[in-house]
Order: sequence, then structure tokens, then C-alpha cells
Amino acid sequence: ETGVTQSPTHLIKTRGQQVTLRCSSQSGHNTVSWYQQALGQGPQFIFQYYREEENGRGNFPPRFSGLQFPNYSSELNVNALELDDSALYLCASSPGQTRSYKYGYTFGSGTRLTVV
Amino acid sequence: QKEVEQDPGPLSVPEGAIVSLNCTYSNSAFQYFMWYRQYSRKGPELLMYTYSSGNKEDGRFTAQVDKSSKYISLFIRDSQPSDSATYLCAMRSEGSNYKLTFGKGTLLTVNP
Repeated sequence: ETGVTQSPTHLIKTRGQQVTLRCSSQSGHNTVSWYQQALGQGPQFIFQYYREEENGRGNFPPRFSGLQFPNYSSELNVNALELDDSALYLCASSPGQTRSYKYGYTFGSGTRLTVV
Repeated sequence: QKEVEQDPGPLSVPEGAIVSLNCTYSNSAFQYFMWYRQYSRKGPELLMYTYSSGNKEDGRFTAQVDKSSKYISLFIRDSQPSDSATYLCAMRSEGSNYKLTFGKGTLLTVNP
């Protein structure tokens, strides 16, 4: 059973550019969430996808958007990058909304984004 | 006031010590409580998962939840150098679309 994999592992972008981060969920998991973790902080919830639909969103502007594909993999897109977007972006998957209470969420190792 | 407060430390203990990590929270709707361990340059790894109040034990780890005080704890017995990591508390409410709210994390170093 594979875990959650994220790509790329590191990325440097210039302010104003756009970025796409990718996530493959753990086998058997159909729910994917994205979190932003700034240095020295806990992860902050961006949004969650279940069966290709966004079904929850945190306090992030619309320039943060996402997709989930039929194989449950997911993308996070960020437009008009700002310096404060520099952070570790974590993807987490879970086995469905009725079972995640027991099994929790499996996190990937993240993509470290630096905006210069 | 933040929804979840956690002392960021750092906390340094000798090998074999009992470690106590704590979080307080303000949202009484939180029902599910978790502790994650995060090694440097890695994603968080689930350690303990508790529903509502009570204690849960798993090997050297014990999680406690006191909903009346809005206070959760993680105890690590016989701490090992391999336990050196950042420990994050996380919690969520029923019907929250499964959004987890995390504390800042406590950096723990266990010295051999």
C-alpha cells in the first residue's frame, strides 16, 4: 500500500507567477485535503475535495484553487503568488467521510514553495 | 484568541524521561482530538486519535482529553532520541467538513 506522494518536493517561484502542486492519495482513499504550513506554525486548512467536488474551504483567497481527478489524485493551484505564500504545502488523504474519524488523515511529505 | 493554543517550546529532556505535551482550545464544538508527530522536512504522522473525553494508551504514548477544561495532553513514557520531533495537536468538530485545526506544534529534543 503506497502512502501519499507529492510533487515537486521543492519549488522556487517569482512573485506574481502561478504554481501547480500535485498529490497522489493513498490507495483506497477518496478524500483529499490541502494545508499550508508556514515556518514555525501548524498547518492551516486550505480546502478539501471529496469525489471531485470541493466540500470545505478555509480562510484562503480565491487565487488558491484545486482539482480532484477520478483517480482521487489532486492539484493545488495558486495564482498571483505573493511572498507570504512561501510555505510547506501538505496534502492529506483519508478513506472517506464516514471512516476518517477512525483512521485520521495520512499526510504527504509536502512541497516546499519559496516565492522570491 | 486562537482556537488552539500550544506552547511551541522548545522542550529538551534526557533519554528515559516522561514527556508531557499539552494544548488548550476555545471551540467547545471540537469532538475529535489528534496528536501528530512531524520530523524535520517530513509531513505530519498520526500518533493518537481520541473521540470526546477520556484516555487512550498506545505503547509508550497516552493521550488524555478533558473537554470540561478544554485541555488535551500527550504523555510519552521512557522517551527515546528517536522521539525528537515536533508534536502537533489537531482537532475537529462534527460536520466540519473534516477540517483539522492545528496547534503551532511543540519542538521536542530527547538527549541521549
